Amino acid sequence: KNEVEQSPQNLTAQEGEFITINCSYSVGISALHWLQQHPGGGIVSLFMLSSGKKKHGRLIATINIQEKHSSLHITASHPRDSAVYICAVRSGGSQGNLIFGKGTKLSVKP
Amino acid sequence: DGGITQSPKYLFRKEGQNVTLSCEQNLNHDAMYWYRQDPGQGLRLIYYSQIVNDFQKGDIAEGYSVSREKKESFPLTVTSAQKNPTAFYLCASSMSSMRLGSTDTQYFGPGTRLTVL
Repeated sequence: KNEVEQSPQNLTAQEGEFITINCSYSVGISALHWLQQHPGGGIVSLFMLSSGKKKHGRLIATINIQEKHSSLHITASHPRDSAVYICAVRSGGSQGNLIFGKGTKLSVKP
Repeated sequence: DGGITQSPKYLFRKEGQNVTLSCEQNLNHDAMYWYRQDPGQGLRLIYYSQIVNDFQKGDIAEGYSVSREKKESFPLTVTSAQKNPTAFYLCASSMSSMRLGSTDTQYFGPGTRLTVL
């Protein structure tokens, strides 16, 4: 069993829809990251959170430490949001490295 | 502009040849990382370096080697011992990974796609 599981693997939405991507993890963590990978391959860090909720523009990330679960929400989705969204956790050890989920491929149709 | 660069973007090599992927950052970050990405899999850590002249093996270091002679540079050599080298390679850096419970954000380069012919 993977330590970081994302769902769904693939997601197709119509422009304007509200989107939710989920991430569950099985290890103790010090932080959780949401990353965006564009079709060209480059990766951008969207959020880093260890509790609660963060918002940046149309993106919202939440985390529930007790349930070991995080969600990434996109409001009013747009075709330019099409990308692979990756969840990664930093394990709670003193030099814990990032453990990555397999990613969720989002396609937003106009 | 501050950032992290990788070159080349695409690389082809013949089986049995060593090849070196470049990674440079001008963010003054102490820590640098190399990841490998395969279709349908999460990124996997190959090597990381927390400081100049020091580096550690990640989860899949076999068949790879690195050096960290300068703070801004962390080249990765894919050797002929790597049995399945065709993949997308990503370099990243962060301010520091040495602090307990460090939560530093990692900044990624654009990646190098290596294909073995």
